[in-house]
Amino acid sequence: SQQGEEDPQALSIQEGENATMNCSYKTSINNLQWYRQNSGRGLVHLILIRSNEREKHSGRLRVTLDTSKKSSSLLITASRAADTASYFCALGETSGSRLTFGEGTQLTVNP
Amino acid sequence: NAGVTQNPKFQVLKTGQSMTLQCAQDMNHNSMYWYRQDPGMGLRLIYYSASEGTTDKGEVPNGYNVSRLNKREFSLRLESAAPSQTSVYFCASSPGQRDYGYTFGSGTRLTVV
Repeated sequence: SQQGEEDPQALSIQEGENATMNCSYKTSINNLQWYRQNSGRGLVHLILIRSNEREKHSGRLRVTLDTSKKSSSLLITASRAADTASYFCALGETSGSRLTFGEGTQLTVNP
Repeated sequence: NAGVTQNPKFQVLKTGQSMTLQCAQDMNHNSMYWYRQDPGMGLRLIYYSASEGTTDKGEVPNGYNVSRLNKREFSLRLESAAPSQTSVYFCASSPGQRDYGYTFGSGTRLTVV
């Protein structure tokens, strides 16, 4: 099964700056989801964007999806130290409800 | 509302020993999943249960078995543990339809020596 490829693998920014993470994939998807994982914890669902959607917002999060380029980006605006975590994209298959996860981007927000 | 509960949180096994990882959800979700997480490899699907009474292999099923005991509970069994099964194991659940996110448990950190 395909896996999303995330870029960059690690990102370090200052509090208040914006953070952008990217996810690319190779085959068709039904949806694309983003999750956050704090150190030593389980994953938490952040946002889902359907294949027929181009952009979605949730609080300080903005997700875009370009199915022609098979890529998505997650933008976190006005970052806070509490945003420090790993962020994973997950690809929703076209049949069924299985998700395939990428390897993640480690975001560090420095106070 | 507990969500997804996993037990135990930590476990050390000797090679060849067996154990069962427990997972229960209280959200009336139809589908449940077992993933393992290894450094640099993201999460890989071991087994899943699309609905009560069904189970299917995921990406890395070898060395594992599962039981969907009822709608709430989905257990993962290691019959003869190997050092390659040292990992963090996550259980997740979802309503089962597409376009829904997963709810994850807090994980079981397993070390096989």
